[in-house]
Amino acid sequence: KQEVTQIPAALSVPEGENLVLNCSFTDSAIYNLQWFRQDPGKGLTSLLLIQSSQREQTSGRLNASLDKSSGRSTLYIAASQPGDSATYLCAVPNDYKLSFGAGTTVTVRA
Amino acid sequence: DAGVIQSPRHEVTEMGQEVTLRCKPISGHNSLFWYRQTMMRGLELLIYFNNNVPIDDSGMPEDRFSAKMPNASFSTLKIQPSEPRDSAVYFCASSLRLGKETQYFGPGTRLLVL
Repeated sequence: KQEVTQIPAALSVPEGENLVLNCSFTDSAIYNLQWFRQDPGKGLTSLLLIQSSQREQTSGRLNASLDKSSGRSTLYIAASQPGDSATYLCAVPNDYKLSFGAGTTVTVRA
Repeated sequence: DAGVIQSPRHEVTEMGQEVTLRCKPISGHNSLFWYRQTMMRGLELLIYFNNNVPIDDSGMPEDRFSAKMPNASFSTLKIQPSEPRDSAVYFCASSLRLGKETQYFGPGTRLLVL
């Protein structure tokens, strides 16, 4: 069974600092990995999807890396802003299902 | 496109009552997923459909839960009878196909069973 772990569970940083969010998974036989953002009381928004053949994926200030052999992915958010405050979840496929981590709750202080 | 649409957004009901949650996937998407999110257990997949056919319902917690997808643009998740431990946020998501595609989530239905 795929287990997904996210560390840290919560993070508070001053505006402008770079954010590093970690995700680890137990079964490295994945074909992709997704990062989602969830705002309080809202649904999940897909941020990045990295295919297993890729080592990283970038979208604006967001960059996600994937190391299948070590079972790890990292989401980098450059020059954080208060609007980046949210919970970030990673998810890996387990057959056709998605297994989610518990998330990292980020607070960016103005 | 309006994205995945769920209704109602909030539901408060009493124990023993029937609850029906509704979902309209993104037009053209062939796969639909129902998730439940709680503080204790995080996000859990309940059931998913491909081309309107249920593929895997192993995540459905009990026989009190049932889901249907009568056509490509509509799905329901029903709880009968509801219990307080069913209180959670229920999300519907859709993707173009099963497998390597991004899943797009709806805003969720917050269910409170008293």
